[in-house]
Amino acid sequence: SQQGEEDPQALSIQEGENATMNCSYKTSINNLQWYRQNSGRGLVHLILIRSNEREKHSGRLRVTLDTSKKSSSLLITASRAADTASYFCATVRLGGSQGNLIFGKGTKLSVKP
Amino acid sequence: EAQVTQNPRYLITVTGKKLTVTCSQNMNHEYMSWYRQDPGLGLRQIYYSMNVEVTDKGDVPEGYKVSRKEKRNFPLILESPSPNQTSLYFCASSWSWEQGETEAFFGQGTRLTVV
Repeated sequence: SQQGEEDPQALSIQEGENATMNCSYKTSINNLQWYRQNSGRGLVHLILIRSNEREKHSGRLRVTLDTSKKSSSLLITASRAADTASYFCATVRLGGSQGNLIFGKGTKLSVKP
Repeated sequence: EAQVTQNPRYLITVTGKKLTVTCSQNMNHEYMSWYRQDPGLGLRQIYYSMNVEVTDKGDVPEGYKVSRKEKRNFPLILESPSPNQTSLYFCASSWSWEQGETEAFFGQGTRLTVV
């Protein structure tokens, strides 16, 4: 069962521009995580935001969480060609365990030099 | 170096020939999972394990088996592979079973083709 759904499915921007990806989910959550995947490789954890947090920063990444709308956004500022990858949000249902980390289908970001 | 290691990275096999994909982590993590990734479907969880000898089904367990006899290893077994199991498989591990409080570490993936 898909918990998170990312939007847009694909995004193409120029180097230096900002990239914004959105994630909507269905059930109440404890936290939400964002992951990055370079083509055909394993996923790498980027950032975790807890349900009682509204915004979190990590370097050029900014994540927001709106639990009333069941949505999150990932902003990458001043994008670089090396940011080209797929980005996934992942959630654990409230009361669920880490074993139930459910991923969305991802946003494919292409940053053109 | 902390890592999750999957083997093999690539595998082409024939329908019905039993195979095992190994997964090993060196971080003493309690939690381990298997996912498959297919175009347009994202990552779907196959099985997960909370600790040694404790496993449970994910969203798409049919046609797969797992075992967790040691904390570091979590092999994925396909007893009788079929072409619809052609996919990219990922193993993941994390510290705690506490409601997703920690990040998951992923292996590099195993690309399986069943002909």
